Amino acid sequence: DGGITQSPKYLFRKEGQNVTLSCEQNLNHDAMYWYRQDPGQGLRLIYYSQIVNDFQKGDIAEGYSVSREKKESFPLTVTSAQKNPTAFYLCASSIEPNMNEQFFGPGTRLTVL
Amino acid sequence: GIQVEQSPPDLILQEGANSTLRCNFSDSVNNLQWFHQNPWGQLINLFYIPSGTKQNGRLSATTVATERYSLLYISSSQTTDSGVYFCAVGGSSNTGKLIFGQGTTLQVKP
Repeated sequence: DGGITQSPKYLFRKEGQNVTLSCEQNLNHDAMYWYRQDPGQGLRLIYYSQIVNDFQKGDIAEGYSVSREKKESFPLTVTSAQKNPTAFYLCASSIEPNMNEQFFGPGTRLTVL
Repeated sequence: GIQVEQSPPDLILQEGANSTLRCNFSDSVNNLQWFHQNPWGQLINLFYIPSGTKQNGRLSATTVATERYSLLYISSSQTTDSGVYFCAVGGSSNTGKLIFGQGTTLQVKP
């Protein structure tokens, strides 16, 4: 099946630990995105990548890092520098960056204990 | 940056009723999408509609780009329509970034 997968579905982290969220797509899309959703809110952009080996900061990049070594993969690392990491994280992709429909993965719920 | 406002914030309907959700945005856009977020958090694509009108079964959407608003119509609502509906827009910058509204929470009662 074609689509976007995210793992794990739930993730628990102790304060001070870095964690990496996985995002994989087999849609052959060039552009990939990471969004964060807090309870009762819309989504906000963390990082985006328009092409392999390139990525840019979004609106709330502080405390996060990404890599784009392969077209199909765009992992997100939540570092200990992120002040309020507990949130729902969604990955998305589109054929090209602009003027194209974005499709979302099922999300990862991160809880910091 | 672009501001996106959705109304109403909350909506309670009886099964079978019709509803209209509105999305206003503050600047010209290259992309506008409507999503339904299910109870598990998955965002389901409803419409990609930067302009014009589209229909898909009981749902339809209209975007009037010159007046900077979009409408989502739900007819003959069902309990499975419950959830949060988001409007998201993309501006003229070449990033593909989507800016989301706060959502409309719809509850359809049997």
